[in-house]
Amino acid sequence: NAGVMQNPRHLVRRRGQEARLRCSPMKGHSHVYWYRQLPEEGLKFMVYLQKENIIDESGMPKERFSAEFPKEGPSILRIQQVVRGDSAAYFCASSPSQSRVRRGETQYFGPGTRLLVL
Amino acid sequence: AQRVTQPEKLLSVFKGAPVELKCNYSYSGSPELFWYVQYSRQRLQLLLRHISRESIKGFTADLNKGETSFHLKKPFAQEEDSAMYYCALKESNAGNMLTFGGGTRLMVKP
Repeated sequence: NAGVMQNPRHLVRRRGQEARLRCSPMKGHSHVYWYRQLPEEGLKFMVYLQKENIIDESGMPKERFSAEFPKEGPSILRIQQVVRGDSAAYFCASSPSQSRVRRGETQYFGPGTRLLVL
Repeated sequence: AQRVTQPEKLLSVFKGAPVELKCNYSYSGSPELFWYVQYSRQRLQLLLRHISRESIKGFTADLNKGETSFHLKKPFAQEEDSAMYYCALKESNAGNMLTFGGGTRLMVKP
C-alpha cells in the first residue's frame, strides 16, 4: 500500500492563476480530508469528502476554493485566481469508512503540496 | 468551538534529558486526543492516541480532563526524537476532522 499520494509536491503560480492539487487516498479508504498549513501555524481543517459527496466544508474559504472527490480518480482541491496569501502547505488525509473511524481508526496523511504564489 | 493550544513553538533539550511537550484543549464534549509527529522531510504520522493508552518510542501521554491537558512525555530524549510534534483533537460525535495545535519543534542536542 503506497499510502496517501499527493501531487504535485511543489507548485508555483503567479497571482491570478489557478492551482489544482490532487490527492489519491490509501487503497480501501473512502474518506478524504484537506488541511492547510500557513507558515508558522498548525494545520487547519478545510473540507471533508466522501466519494461524490462533500460532507463538511466548514473550513473552506467562501470564494475561489472548491473541492471534489469523483467516483473515479483522485480528490482535487482547486484554487482559482490565487493570491499571495494562498501560499501554504496543503495536506490531504484519508481514512476508512466512518464506522471504522468511530472505532478508533485515524487519518493517514499525504506528504503535502507546497504552493507558492508569486 | 474546540481549540488546541501548544504553548511552546520550540523545545530544546540535551540527549538523555526528560521531555514534556504541552498540549491543552478546550472542548465541551468528550474528545479523542492524538499526538502526530513529522520528522524532517517525512509526512505527518500518528504517534499515539489517548484511547489506546500505549507507549510508542518511549513516549506516553495521559488525558487529564480536569486540567484539559494531554501532555506528551518521554523520560530520556534521543537525538532521533528531533521533529515537529502536533497535538490534535477529534470531536466525539460530529464529523471526523481533526483540530490541530500549532505544533512544537523538539530539538534534541547531543
